[in-house]
Parts: sequence; C-alpha cells; structure tokens
Amino acid sequence: DVKVTQSSRYLVKRTGEKVFLECVQDMDHENMFWYRQDPGLGLRLIYFSYDVKMKEKGDIPEGYSVSREKKERFSLILESASTNQTSMYLCASSLFGLAGPETQYFGPGTRLLVL
Amino acid sequence: KQEVTQIPAALSVPEGENLVLNCSFTDSAIYNLQWFRQDPGKGLTSLLLIQSSQREQTSGRLNASLDKSSGRSTLYIAASQPGDSATYLCAVKYNNDMRFGAGTRLTVKP
Repeated sequence: DVKVTQSSRYLVKRTGEKVFLECVQDMDHENMFWYRQDPGLGLRLIYFSYDVKMKEKGDIPEGYSVSREKKERFSLILESASTNQTSMYLCASSLFGLAGPETQYFGPGTRLLVL
Repeated sequence: KQEVTQIPAALSVPEGENLVLNCSFTDSAIYNLQWFRQDPGKGLTSLLLIQSSQREQTSGRLNASLDKSSGRSTLYIAASQPGDSATYLCAVKYNNDMRFGAGTRLTVKP
C-alpha cells in the first residue's frame, strides 16, 4: 500500500513565523502535490513537483514556497505565516502527473493554526 | 473556468436508506472523475475512479456514474450504515489540472 505521511497533524504558529510542513511518500512516485482545504472551497492546489528539484505553481502559490531535494520528500514552506494561512494542508503523491490516469494518494493532513 | 459543484453540502439519513450524492462540472472535456471519502481531520481515500470513456464503476455498496455530456456524476450508496458517515468529495481531472468539489458531509443515523 502507498503511504504518504506528514510530519505534524496539528501545528500552532504565530504570525510572522517561518513554517515548514514536511511530506514523505514511500512508493517512489515522481509527482507530489500540496493542497490547502478550507470549508466551502474544496481543495486548492498550492504547488506540485514532477521531479527532484522541479516545481510548478498551482492555483494559489502566493505566500508559499516548496522544496524537493529528494524524491520521497516534498516540503511546503510558509516564509512568514499569516492568519489567512490557517487551514488544513494536504500532501499527495502519484505515479503520473496531473495529466495521468491514476489516482493521487493523500496524507492525513496537517491542521495549521496561525495566531 | 473549470468548476466542480457538489449539492447538497450536507445530508443526514437514517441507517439502511439508499442515497445519492451529486457532482456537477462545467467543462466536459474531462480525463477522469474520482470520488473520495474524507473522515474528520483526516486525508482523502479514493473510493472510485471513472475514466472519461466509462459510464460507471462499482465497488461493494457504492456505484458511481458519469454523464460527460451533461456534466454530472452521482455516487450511489446502498443500504447506508453509520460507518458511511464522512465527507464525500468528487474530483475532476483535466489535462494538467485537477479540480475538487467542496464535498457533501454525510451523516447516517443509527
């Protein structure tokens, strides 16, 4: 079974702090994704990566950056956290990219609260 | 703009009832459509994936249908159980993009 893990289930940070969210997958997938999920808005894509050191912006990249130094690990970085970044963050991976036929596998999510 | 809409936002039914969840999408040039389940505070679990050339997929008590021309998909749950209580999301994959609905929160009362 594919396993996608996220470093924290719950996180509380203060405005202005730098925040790192880590995601690891164990299936040697090429593609990894970061989404945020907000009530009534569904999932929105922040960034995705189709290979090590490669990244593409999603729909809402502002205020975020990412890092993919190793194939199995994809990090989401909030350079200076703001209250409007309070959300549920979901990481996913897939063998194919957004144009591929197969499913994405999701991690358990990190619920981030920025005070 | 490619939008995915799920109605209703919430649904409460008694145990044993058959029910239908709806998903509509504005752009019919889809690659595939997928239904996910999300338990509170958790990630998404894939339930059914329907390729654009298919009309339906079945898994146990779940049946998902796809009508590309009308931009609709339904998830049918037979003989609902309290363990089916969760949020159900549909996701539509386009070429190089994937759009999610906001989900329907289902409660099955014993």
